[in-house]
Amino acid sequence: ETGVTQTPRHLVMGMTNKKSLKCEQHLGHNAMYWYKQSAKKPLELMFVYSLEERVENNSVPSRFSPECPNSSHLFLHLHTLQPEDSALYLCASSQDVQGYTEAFFGQGTRLTVV
Amino acid sequence: DQQVKQNSPSLSVQEGRISILNCDYTNSMFDYFLWYKKYPAEGPTFLISISSIKDKNEDGRFTVFLNKSAKHLSLHIVPSQPGDSAVYFCAASGQDGGATNKLIFGTGTLLAVQP
Repeated sequence: ETGVTQTPRHLVMGMTNKKSLKCEQHLGHNAMYWYKQSAKKPLELMFVYSLEERVENNSVPSRFSPECPNSSHLFLHLHTLQPEDSALYLCASSQDVQGYTEAFFGQGTRLTVV
Repeated sequence: DQQVKQNSPSLSVQEGRISILNCDYTNSMFDYFLWYKKYPAEGPTFLISISSIKDKNEDGRFTVFLNKSAKHLSLHIVPSQPGDSAVYFCAASGQDGGATNKLIFGTGTLLAVQP
């Protein structure tokens, strides 16, 4: 199994739909992250969780709602999205939010909002 | 305003030659820098990192150089191989007072190594 697994890989949803992105890490890490990658933009950090507690929310609209039920799983619940929310959503994990260790990324979910 | 900048969106290099990817940053509080490689349809994978207490870190064909006074780092790949063709992201982090070590990424440079 890969270290960080994201499902689904691709998602097309209408603006009135509700969907969820799932991330699972098998690395025993304590920190998990959601990033957004839009075309020709840098990866943007959305949310940070440490030991299931949200420690950072980077001014993300409320139509994105994260959930971390345990240290191995992270969800991103989506509702009433806009077409400009279409992007690659990447989940990552690291040993901790403190200290200097690399983050491990999943393969991402390619989201298209129509 | 972007804190981490990769001003070259693409770079083409012949196989066997050196690839040099550049990155500039503006935040003097950054003290840890990383390079990630990304293939299409995959997530970024960690390549190499450097702490601000060093000016060079080497791992096989990959070497990262850090010039703190210029707020500049570079990734050297030598010799370049066709399998190195990918998008390379520079990232930086530092304790910003929020007790969170978060990565700030550049926009990436697409490296194409020609056989």
